[in-house]
Amino acid sequence: DADVTQTPRNRITKTGKRIMLECSQTKGHDRMYWYRQDPGLGLRLIYYSFDVKDINKGEISDGYSVSRQAQAKFSLSLESAIPNQTALYFCATSDEPSSGSSEQFFGPGTRLTVL
Amino acid sequence: DQQVKQNSPSLSVQEGRISILNCDYTNSMFDYFLWYKKYPAEGPTFLISISSIKDKNEDGRFTVFLNKSAKHLSLHIVPSQPGDSAVYFCAARPSYSGAGSYQLTFGKGTKLSVIP
Repeated sequence: DADVTQTPRNRITKTGKRIMLECSQTKGHDRMYWYRQDPGLGLRLIYYSFDVKDINKGEISDGYSVSRQAQAKFSLSLESAIPNQTALYFCATSDEPSSGSSEQFFGPGTRLTVL
Repeated sequence: DQQVKQNSPSLSVQEGRISILNCDYTNSMFDYFLWYKKYPAEGPTFLISISSIKDKNEDGRFTVFLNKSAKHLSLHIVPSQPGDSAVYFCAARPSYSGAGSYQLTFGKGTKLSVIP
């Protein structure tokens, strides 16, 4: 079973609709992240959370919100989707950096299309 | 302004030869660097990393070299195999100093094609 799962894997929606992307992990990590990938732009950080009570904005948080429902669950919402939010969205998790590793583990991604 | 740059969007290499993927960075606070590999329809997977206290790290066919004075790192794959065909992302983070310092900054990626 995958350690980091994302639902849905694909979604097509219309401008103005509210969309929620969900992420679950079984790695027991406290830290979770949401990224978007656009062609030619690499991965950009939207939001991150270091524990259930800690939420932080990333590089491109405008138009997005998140909810950390539990240690294992971190959801990303688009309150009113717009076409330039069409992208590939990745959730990731990581351990405490004091553990010696900076590695982030990624989910399989959600392809979102906003018409 | 891009802090992590992968200036080659794509690279083609013959099977069995060496693949060299390059990455430059501008933030002198970065002290830990990672390479991720991404296949289509999958999330990025961690490949290899290097701390700024080292100038080389090896893992099987993969070696990462770090030149701190030039703010440059490279990933060498020897020998290259068709299964190595993927997009490779370079990522960096500053030294750990509290909240936010664990953020990774990614380059735009280089698509490697290994030709049989």
